[in-house]
Amino acid sequence: NAGVTQTPKFQVLKTGQSMTLQCAQDMNHEYMSWYRQDPGMGLRLIHYSVGAGITDQGEVPNGYNVSRSTTEDFPLRLLSAAPSQTSVYFCASSYSTEGAYGYTFGSGTRLTVV
Amino acid sequence: GENVEQHPSTLSVQEGDSAVIKCTYSDSASNYFPWYKQELGKGPQLIIDIRSNVGEKKDQRIAVTLNKTAKHFSLHITETQPEDSAVYFCATHNFNKFYFGSGTKLNVKP
Repeated sequence: NAGVTQTPKFQVLKTGQSMTLQCAQDMNHEYMSWYRQDPGMGLRLIHYSVGAGITDQGEVPNGYNVSRSTTEDFPLRLLSAAPSQTSVYFCASSYSTEGAYGYTFGSGTRLTVV
Repeated sequence: GENVEQHPSTLSVQEGDSAVIKCTYSDSASNYFPWYKQELGKGPQLIIDIRSNVGEKKDQRIAVTLNKTAKHFSLHITETQPEDSAVYFCATHNFNKFYFGSGTKLNVKP
């Protein structure tokens, strides 16, 4: 039982490049989400999903796309990276459909955009 | 939307002392209040939570109190140990979303 797995752990991108941050969970959780963590600002919700085929925006969705084709996977796409997207990204999942209980975070992806 | 404020941003205590971290929130619809501990290089981990129908909850050296009327909740750590050193985040939850405080860096000096 691996929990929430994020790949890669570190990534450096040039401005304008695209990439996908991967997130997978093996707990059969319906609810999955993506956060970014910046110094002094806590964690801010980017996008979330309450089940396969259903996604919605969080506090800071601009510049990011998501899709949820399976229960297990919830990738985050940066279509055209900008220096403002330099951050640590966390994926999290929950066994409750509204995303409250049993919230489990991955270990994060540190992204630098130069 | 919800606004969660957390204080203090840094806290330094001597081993064995108590530590208190406080959070206020703005949305009265928030109904679940967890606290997370984040160690360096890791994701946040849930340490204790409280639901809106409970005023206080305790788990060994950790306790959380909630005042829904005043819209604030607090984390209390007693008999602090060096391994309690980490960043602590409060959060609120409503309508499928979590809102996090900005974090408190706790340093427990041996």
